[in-house]
Amino acid sequence: NAGVTQTPKFQVLKTGQSMTLQCAQDMNHEYMSWYRQDPGMGLRLIHYSVGAGITDQGEVPNGYNVSRSTTEDFPLRLLSAAPSQTSVYFCASSTRRLGQRRYNEQFFGPGTRLTVL
Amino acid sequence: KQEVTQIPAALSVPEGENLVLNCSFTDSAIYNLQWFRQDPGKGLTSLLLIQSSQREQTSGRLNASLDKSSGRSTLYIAASQPGDSATYLCAVEKGNTPLVFGKGTRLSVIA
Repeated sequence: NAGVTQTPKFQVLKTGQSMTLQCAQDMNHEYMSWYRQDPGMGLRLIHYSVGAGITDQGEVPNGYNVSRSTTEDFPLRLLSAAPSQTSVYFCASSTRRLGQRRYNEQFFGPGTRLTVL
Repeated sequence: KQEVTQIPAALSVPEGENLVLNCSFTDSAIYNLQWFRQDPGKGLTSLLLIQSSQREQTSGRLNASLDKSSGRSTLYIAASQPGDSATYLCAVEKGNTPLVFGKGTRLSVIA
């Protein structure tokens, strides 16, 4: 059981380039999300998904796209990288309590450190 | 909009001391509250999750309490050790909305 995995661990991009940050979980969790963490700003939600085929925007979605074609994978796409997207990106997953709206404990991946020049 | 505040932002204590970290939130209608630990350059590790119907949870030297009506939670660490040095984050969940995080308390335990 690998938990939540993220690739790559580090990435340097030039302004305008595009790339995909990968996230996968092997716990059969319905809920997955992407956060970015910046000094002084804390963790901010980018996008999230409550199940395959369902995604929604978080607090800071601009410049990012997501899709959820399988339960296991939730990739985050940067369409045209900007220096403001330099950050550490975390993926998380959780399962919903049976018959309830609330979620169980959330598990985080190790993060991807992205620098945009 | 839910806001989560953690005080203090940084804390330095000598080894062996008992300490309390504070977390407050503006909307008391939460479903659960979760405490995380983050080591430098690493991801988040879940420490404790308190459901809205509970008042506290314990794991080893850690005890987390929740007072929904006042919008407060505390994380108590007993007999602190240098290995406890890390940033501690609290986050609250309300229904289908994802976790809202505080900015964390950076703890240093000095040997």
